[in-house]
Amino acid sequence: QSVLTQPPSASGTPGQRVTISCSGSSSNIGSNTVNWYQQFPGTAPKLLIYSNNQRPSGVPDRFSGSKSGTSASLAISGLQSEDEADYYCAAWDDSLTGRVVFGGGTKLTVL
Amino acid sequence: QVQLQESGPGLVKPSGTLSLTCAVSGGSISSSNWWSWVRQPPGKGLEWIGEIYHGGSTNYNPSLKSRVTISVDKSKNQFSLKLSSVTAADTAVYYCARGLSGLAVAGTFYYMDVWGKGTTVTVSS
Repeated sequence: QSVLTQPPSASGTPGQRVTISCSGSSSNIGSNTVNWYQQFPGTAPKLLIYSNNQRPSGVPDRFSGSKSGTSASLAISGLQSEDEADYYCAAWDDSLTGRVVFGGGTKLTVL
Repeated sequence: QVQLQESGPGLVKPSGTLSLTCAVSGGSISSSNWWSWVRQPPGKGLEWIGEIYHGGSTNYNPSLKSRVTISVDKSKNQFSLKLSSVTAADTAVYYCARGLSGLAVAGTFYYMDVWGKGTTVTVSS
């Protein structure tokens, strides 16, 4: 059971806009920033969005992040076939001694 | 361009100790970063194991804290993971990663921007 809650799957057609949600609590998303990672099968995760809505160099502006209260969202506009991957949200959690917590991951399928 | 490379035995016996090393190249482990370990069991999601700063400060996932030790070797520009009393549940791909953290107006930010390719560790007799 992951600390952050994501839908296990999402889908969309090429060109469509898709959003993936991530729900947490006051000790993680509610008080700290959210990051998103993209992972293709058999490869390491890649940082996609950091500090709620910042894109690392090289990440297309089709990817955007937002946060409100104890929830966050990843939006992908102009969906492309190469966006088919697993997406994970993550945040620092202030409970106990502090730790990084992840969502369970969302598998995005491009139909 | 910082790169990370995990290494270590791919097979560990139950009740034994898993030992992995992450070599840092293209940069110094003494930079202002945290160095993390993350694992992913087959077909499952990501789990943060813990982190270390070059000065030796560590943070561990409370669920693994009693079994985990992360250390740093500045002379070799690498850091290591030891996980004791392993069981089949510890079978996973283990990744090392570079973490950037700090305190901002929006709260604590912590993200991992450079990752190793991962190494598969199987716990089996």
